[in-house]
Amino acid sequence: AQSVTQLGSHVSVSEGALVLLRCNYSSSVPPYLFWYVQYPNQGLQLLLKYTTGATLVKGINGFEAEFKKSETSFHLTKPSAHMSDAAEYFCAVSEPHFGNEKLTFGTGTRLTIIP
Amino acid sequence: NAGVMQNPRHLVRRRGQEARLRCSPMKGHSHVYWYRQLPEEGLKFMVYLQKENIIDESGMPKERFSAEFPKEGPSILRIQQVVRGDSAAYFCASSQQAGQGGQPQHFGDGTRLSIL
Repeated sequence: AQSVTQLGSHVSVSEGALVLLRCNYSSSVPPYLFWYVQYPNQGLQLLLKYTTGATLVKGINGFEAEFKKSETSFHLTKPSAHMSDAAEYFCAVSEPHFGNEKLTFGTGTRLTIIP
Repeated sequence: NAGVMQNPRHLVRRRGQEARLRCSPMKGHSHVYWYRQLPEEGLKFMVYLQKENIIDESGMPKERFSAEFPKEGPSILRIQQVVRGDSAAYFCASSQQAGQGGQPQHFGDGTRLSIL
C-alpha cells in the first residue's frame, strides 16, 4: 500500500525567502508523484508531477520538486516566496497501474507568507 | 469553462435525508474519481468510475454511499440517510483515457456538504 507523509502542517516564510515543503512517500513500486495547490473554497490545481525521466521537475508559478529515490522524498521548493503563494499544498502518489490511477494524498501543508 | 463542473457548491441536509452530488468531467475525459476531504485533513479516495462501470470502490463506506457514471449525463455520488459525520467537502476529478500512467487528474471546486 502507498502512503504519503508531509512534515509540517503549517509553514511560514517571509516574502522573498525560500519555500521548502517536505514530502516523503512509501510505495511498493516506483511511484508517480504529484504536488497540488488548493486555495480557499476551491478545488486542487496541479503544480507539477513526476512520472519517469529527469528527477528534477519544474512546475507552474516557479515551483519545482526533486524525486530522490534513495530518500523516498519529493520535496517542493520555490526560490523566492510571493504573497500569492499562500495556500494549502498537497503531495500525492499513485502507483503505475494501467486503468486505475487513484491518488493517495498527504495531510497537507498550509503555507503562510509573511510580508 | 471547460473544467470539471460540480454542483451544487454547497448542500445542506438534515440528518436522515439524502444527498446527491453531481460531477460533469472535462470534455474528452472518461475517467472520474471521487474524493472526500474532512476538515483539517487531506483528500481520501472514495471511488473510481468509467462510463457505466465502477472500477474501484475500495474507499467507499460499505453502507449508504453509492456512485454512478451513466452513459449520458454527469457522475452522481449519492449518500442516503446522511449523518453528521458525512459533513465534508466532496471533490470530483477527471482524467483522460489511462495509458502509460501519470495522467493528471483535474479537480472540480467541490461540493461542501453540511448536515444539520
